Amino acid sequence: AQSVSQHNHHVILSEAASLELGCNYSYGGTVNLFWYVQYPGQHLQLLLKYFSGDPLVKGIKGFEAEFIKSKFSFNLRKPSVQWSDTAEYFCAVNAGGMYSGGGADGLTFGKGTHLIIQP
Amino acid sequence: DAGVIQSPRHEVTEMGQEVTLRCKPISGHDYLFWYRQTMMRGLELLIYFNNNVPIDDSGMPEDRFSAKMPNASFSTLKIQPSEPRDSAVYFCASSFAGTGVGYTFGSGTRLTVV
Repeated sequence: AQSVSQHNHHVILSEAASLELGCNYSYGGTVNLFWYVQYPGQHLQLLLKYFSGDPLVKGIKGFEAEFIKSKFSFNLRKPSVQWSDTAEYFCAVNAGGMYSGGGADGLTFGKGTHLIIQP
Repeated sequence: DAGVIQSPRHEVTEMGQEVTLRCKPISGHDYLFWYRQTMMRGLELLIYFNNNVPIDDSGMPEDRFSAKMPNASFSTLKIQPSEPRDSAVYFCASSFAGTGVGYTFGSGTRLTVV
């Protein structure tokens, strides 16, 4: 079974600061990796995903993440955050290749990181 | 596309009552997932279906929970009898395996059992 660890439960930054949220997973096989964002009172929205290929993945709203297989990590980054980035961020993983990653298996989520951006 | 539609958005019920949560997946999606979100436990996968057939229900917490998918466009999650510890936000998600597009989540049902 997979597991996901997000090290920072709460992060507070000022606008324009750079962001990096840590995510480590535990699984021995091929994985698909995701970052989701949940704005207050809303549902989860996909920020970006990694199935294979270039380990540096670019997503929406200026976010990117880098898959480092040797470290079992998939950290989320943004060079300059905005107040509107205040939200809960979830890292998630499931096993398998692209067809599984398309949705043929349930996601295992980390506990989430609550990001607050101060104006 | 209207996305994944869940109803109701909010549900307040008394302990012991039956609660039914509903989900309409995106048309054409062949997988449907039910998740529960709480502060203590985060997001947990309860059950998922493929082509209307339950594939893995190991996340269903107790026999009080049951889920059905009578057709490709509708699923229910039922709790009977409900207990205060069932209070959570319940999300439904759907996907189409093979496209690599990942999962689309509904807006969730916030359940409060008093």
